[in-house]
Parts: sequence; structure tokens; C-alpha cells
Amino acid sequence: QSALTQPPSASGSPGESVTISCTGASSDVGSYNFVSWYQQHPGKAPKLIIYEVNKRPSGVPDRFSGSKSGNTASLTVSGLQAEDEADYYCSSYAGVNIYVFGSGTKVTVL
Amino acid sequence: EVQLVESGGGLVQPGRSLRLSCGASGFTFEDSAMRWVRQGPGKGLEWVAGINWLGNDIGYADSVKGRFTISRDNAKNSLYLQMNSLRTEDTALYYCARDFIGTSGTPANAFDIWGQGTMVTVSS
Repeated sequence: QSALTQPPSASGSPGESVTISCTGASSDVGSYNFVSWYQQHPGKAPKLIIYEVNKRPSGVPDRFSGSKSGNTASLTVSGLQAEDEADYYCSSYAGVNIYVFGSGTKVTVL
Repeated sequence: EVQLVESGGGLVQPGRSLRLSCGASGFTFEDSAMRWVRQGPGKGLEWVAGINWLGNDIGYADSVKGRFTISRDNAKNSLYLQMNSLRTEDTALYYCARDFIGTSGTPANAFDIWGQGTMVTVSS
């Protein structure tokens, strides 16, 4: 149960796109299409923004998109807005009622 | 309003025990799988434990296996986490979270409703 690997930080100017990677193993990300992404603002609970690799819950803007290739998943935030500045975490199902989170990425809007 | 409210956190000495509770409202608790997730001070999220709707399918992170026990009482709309043999590294904000059911109607193995968390500090 090792944490998924994310870059510590990412940044972009308003209107630009930023992509965050999430690297796991063949036992988690590589085996299941159950990768989810969460946005967390300071002092707040996480918010689900992507589930099953590339699906958005109701109410999440289509500026957020997800993908996966092999053991690596990615989150892209297009048309960056000031309110997108937050910490982002990926998560993957790892089998037998086990889950693993990523190390987290702080996104800064320049 | 769909809501999860955690309670039971506090300051505890290493080696002692603590029981966390999570009360659910605004949705059919007995139909939902539930999870505990924690976040150490200034750190990332860590999945701790999970339980299915019936309470007979349970999983734990290696870091807490053998020390923590997750349980639920569907009649009381409540989720619990019994934490024994606490260590300083268990210091964290503990969230309960609900499993999300996707548009297909099947579990999405993601967590859509979160509480605000209850803080557990393990220190002598």
C-alpha cells in the first residue's frame, strides 16, 4: 500500500491549462479503472471532481478532465481560474476493499 | 441536507484508545459503504479503513491493521472507528466519507460526501 506519486506542485496563469500526473503500480492504477481525483481548499474537506478515471460528478465544470495510461493517471484543469488554486489528490482502488491516495499536488494560479 | 458529522477526537497519550463516531443524515445510510480517511498536520490524505453497507466486508490500511476496528450501526445511522494502541504517527484529522454511486448505478470506488473531520492528537 504505497502512496501514489504526484508532483508536489504545478502552476499556470489564468486561462491556461495544467496537468497533474498520478503514478501508481500494476496492482492499483494499472489494474482498475477506479481512479478518482479530489480538490481540497485550505481548511476544507476534499471534494470529488473526477471518478472512474474520466467521469465528472454532477456540478463539476467540464474544465476538469481525467485520463489514464498504464500505471499513470492524469488530471487536466483547462481554462484555469483563481478558484482552482487548491491541493489535488488522486486515489485508486487497489483491490479487496483497499484504497490508496496520491501524495498531493498544490496548484497555484499565477 | 446530506451530511456527515464526526466526533470523538481529542488528545490522548501513546498506547491509549479512542473511539470516533460519524453520524449520517440526509441519505439512506444503510445503503452506503463508508470509509475513514485521515490527514496528518500539513500532510496528504491517507485512506484508513472501509466497510460495506452490511458490515461484513471490511478493509484496513497496513498502517492501522490490528489496531483499528471499523464498524457501523445502521439503526443509528452511525459509523465508528475504534482506535487502540495509538501512536504519535496516528495524529491527524479523521474524516468519514461516503462511497459514491456513479450514473451507472454501481459503486464508483470514490468518495462523494465528506464530514468536516475530528482531530486526534496522540502525545505524551
